[in-house]
Amino acid sequence: AQSVTQLDSQVPVFEEAPVELRCNYSSSVSVYLFWYVQYPNQGLQLLLKYLSGSTLVKGINGFEAEFNKSQTSFHLRKPSVHISDTAEYFCAVSSTGNQFYFGTGTSLTVIP
Amino acid sequence: DTAVSQTPKYLVTQMGNDKSIKCEQNLGHDTMYWYKQDSKKFLKIMFSYNNKELIINETVPNRFSPKSPDKAHLNLHINSLELGDSAVYFCASSQLVRSNEQYFGPGTRLTVT
Repeated sequence: AQSVTQLDSQVPVFEEAPVELRCNYSSSVSVYLFWYVQYPNQGLQLLLKYLSGSTLVKGINGFEAEFNKSQTSFHLRKPSVHISDTAEYFCAVSSTGNQFYFGTGTSLTVIP
Repeated sequence: DTAVSQTPKYLVTQMGNDKSIKCEQNLGHDTMYWYKQDSKKFLKIMFSYNNKELIINETVPNRFSPKSPDKAHLNLHINSLELGDSAVYFCASSQLVRSNEQYFGPGTRLTVT
């Protein structure tokens, strides 16, 4: 079975500062990787995904993530955060035909 | 044009009651899911149906019974509701043979009093 680890449960960051949310996964096979965002009292929305090709993936709202196969990581970054980025962020992994695995989430709080 | 819809959005009920949550997707996906999100935001998969057949059935009390009348619908029925059932329940759908990217509904906030 695969697993997804989000080491940081809470990340406070000042407005306009850069942020990195960490995600590591355990898998010995080809995987697909995702980041979802959940704004307060809303459902989960896809931020970005890695399926194949370039290891640097750009998503919505200025976020990007880099797939690092050797380190089995898929960290999410944004160079300058806004108040509106305050939300819960979930990393997830799947492989063809298999179950979808979510991390435990990282709560990003942007401080004015 | 909503891709994955759930009803109701909020559900407040008393212990011991029976309630249902409905889910519909218009994406043509072959797989649908129910997730439970607790107060700590942990997402736990409960059930998964592929082409109306149950493929994932995690350790969930048998008071919870999913029903899939067709590929586009997956309903969740809960008997004898307990306080611990209070949570947000999310429906999702995906195309299993591809990347399995999950598309989520808006959630149903269930409060048991």
